[in-house]
Amino acid sequence: DQQVKQNSPSLSVQEGRISILNCDYTNSMFDYFLWYKKYPAEGPTFLISISSIKDKNEDGRFTVFLNKSAKHLSLHIVPSQPGDSAVYFCAASGNFGNEKLTFGTGTRLTIIP
Amino acid sequence: DAGITQSPRHKVTETGTPVTLRCHQTENHRYMYWYRQDPGHGLRLIHYSYGVKDTDKGEVSDGYSVSRSKTEDFLLTLESATSSQTSVYFCAISERDEQFFGPGTRLTVL
Repeated sequence: DQQVKQNSPSLSVQEGRISILNCDYTNSMFDYFLWYKKYPAEGPTFLISISSIKDKNEDGRFTVFLNKSAKHLSLHIVPSQPGDSAVYFCAASGNFGNEKLTFGTGTRLTIIP
Repeated sequence: DAGITQSPRHKVTETGTPVTLRCHQTENHRYMYWYRQDPGHGLRLIHYSYGVKDTDKGEVSDGYSVSRSKTEDFLLTLESATSSQTSVYFCAISERDEQFFGPGTRLTVL
């Protein structure tokens, strides 16, 4: 029972364009959502988060949008850069991230120069 | 970068042998976690700790045990390793909202 789903295993985007990564969840008790970025042979690194009281959070080139009614969140990266090529995981928590995070299966983003 | 180290970084072992992985933090964070990463599954929580000697199970805890006798150390033990436990294991720590991950341990069980 996958409570957090990333239905696109991979995505290729031209450098300079917008990358949009999607994530769906089924558990209505989730109230905090995070995106992590992972390079090969390294641990995931925190990218950006959003709580359920907001519908948008922005940090530089990265923006996360949350649609609670659709149980859907998305990560927008603009403009995309070659260093953004990585695997992106979305994660969800019912307690502001201090306890268990439930992760999606990841989307491999490739930025084409 | 959060001060998290994992040891060993790589290990090859045989089925039926015990294995212990160590996670060490220098951040004095309250919460510590063990995850495994497998293709098609993302990151799955094995066990977590919310304080010294306080631990709880995650979604894939069968075949694993943990111990936390000091704030800075969180040990993951495979009592009798099986081939299905071949994976990359990540430790994470948190104090507030975000979890910070260690570099990972690649474990191969032959």
